[in-house]
Amino acid sequence: GAVVSQHPSWVICKSGTSVKIECRSLDFQATTMFWYRQFPKQSLMLMATSNEGSKATYEQGVEKDKFLINHASLTLSTLTVTSAHPEDSSFYICSARPRTEAFFGQGTRLTVV
Amino acid sequence: DAKTTQPPSMDCAEGRAANLPCNHSTISGNEYVYWYRQIHSQGPQYIIHGLKNNETNEMASLIITEDRKSSTLILPHATLRDTAVYYCIVRGWLHDMRFGAGTRLTVKP
Repeated sequence: GAVVSQHPSWVICKSGTSVKIECRSLDFQATTMFWYRQFPKQSLMLMATSNEGSKATYEQGVEKDKFLINHASLTLSTLTVTSAHPEDSSFYICSARPRTEAFFGQGTRLTVV
Repeated sequence: DAKTTQPPSMDCAEGRAANLPCNHSTISGNEYVYWYRQIHSQGPQYIIHGLKNNETNEMASLIITEDRKSSTLILPHATLRDTAVYYCIVRGWLHDMRFGAGTRLTVKP
């Protein structure tokens, strides 16, 4: 299957700082990428849809000013968690689809202390 | 997209077939059935998908009932590494992939 890579795999940051997570499609081009968040013992929740060359579409209840998404190329989308707080600690996962099936990155574990 | 219903948990003996059911009674004609699994602390892994015909690949088989209101994912010879949460998702062409609670499959020696 297609490969989607995330970086970093885990990050610890201080409260009030910003953290950037990268999502790359390694062997295909993706005009659309998706960002999810997963809290412990819960399912994945779609946060936003990242569109190459245009603004991201956010799900209801997700703060677009806090979770900045940039999709500057056909193989890279970034999620920046701005002014992170402990409640933003979570597992962030991106996905992209070369065809109808989506492929997921390995996830980024964010811990805000 | 149609909602799905899965049992919260299942056990399976190592080496035996694991049959994971999914109900999607409100599925519409253009919606596909997708299966993913998530091993602890990893991103979801694509397993298989289908529209109305049964499908098989190197990982699993997907059996979809004739009325398309339910499906079963079959792992023919479960191993300990198949222990994961399995998600059944129904969605239309190019729609978002949205996850329910899934089934936690535990393969026991």
